[in-house]
Amino acid sequence: EPEVTQTPSHQVTQMGQEVILRCVPISNHLYFYWYRQILGQKVEFLVSFYNNEISEKSEIFDDQFSVERPDGSNFTLKIRSTKLEDSAMYFCARTGRAGLNTEAFFGQGTRLTVV
Amino acid sequence: AQKVTQAQTEISVVEKEDVTLDCVYETRDTTYYLFWYKQPPSGELVFLIRRNSFDEQNEISGRYSWNFQKSTSSFNFTITASQVVDSAVYFCALSEGRSSSSASKIIFGSGTRLSIRP
Repeated sequence: EPEVTQTPSHQVTQMGQEVILRCVPISNHLYFYWYRQILGQKVEFLVSFYNNEISEKSEIFDDQFSVERPDGSNFTLKIRSTKLEDSAMYFCARTGRAGLNTEAFFGQGTRLTVV
Repeated sequence: AQKVTQAQTEISVVEKEDVTLDCVYETRDTTYYLFWYKQPPSGELVFLIRRNSFDEQNEISGRYSWNFQKSTSSFNFTITASQVVDSAVYFCALSEGRSSSSASKIIFGSGTRLSIRP
């Protein structure tokens, strides 16, 4: 059973469109993350989210990105106006209840293709 | 600044051979954490191991073993008697110690693609 579930598994969107990627943690955790992996490249940190607020964000996470946890359960990543270079695998992750300095458990990923 | 270097881009060995994946890291923190993740062809990221900076004891888990050496800032991963199912991309990663008020991101290396030939 996955630690987190991501939907959709694959999304194709036209350039300029908004997309929302969803992550549903299996159990109640406080620390969440989004990472991105462009095809064939390394996994890059986008943003961390703790106690319903952004804890840290990378340079990649610019104004076109946003995260929220609207219903206290689902954790979403929104890309407002997609670009071709946003095509990548997006992973949601959570750490343990202690949150800190523990391993991250990743969802199965959402493959985003911008055309 | 944190950095993880995996100099081996691709490794190919014949089944049953032993193989070592190298990982060198950089950090200014005295407290940090090291990880290895496996990414099989299906694409998910599978956690393998975590090591704390204050614990240099090597670890063995079945055919897998890890050698952590602070003196050389290395955290190498060895697979003994490799099998075709070990074929995957392996990522070494690092996170710094943090206080309770913030989450700790993980910085990944560029990965080593391991191919095990039958």
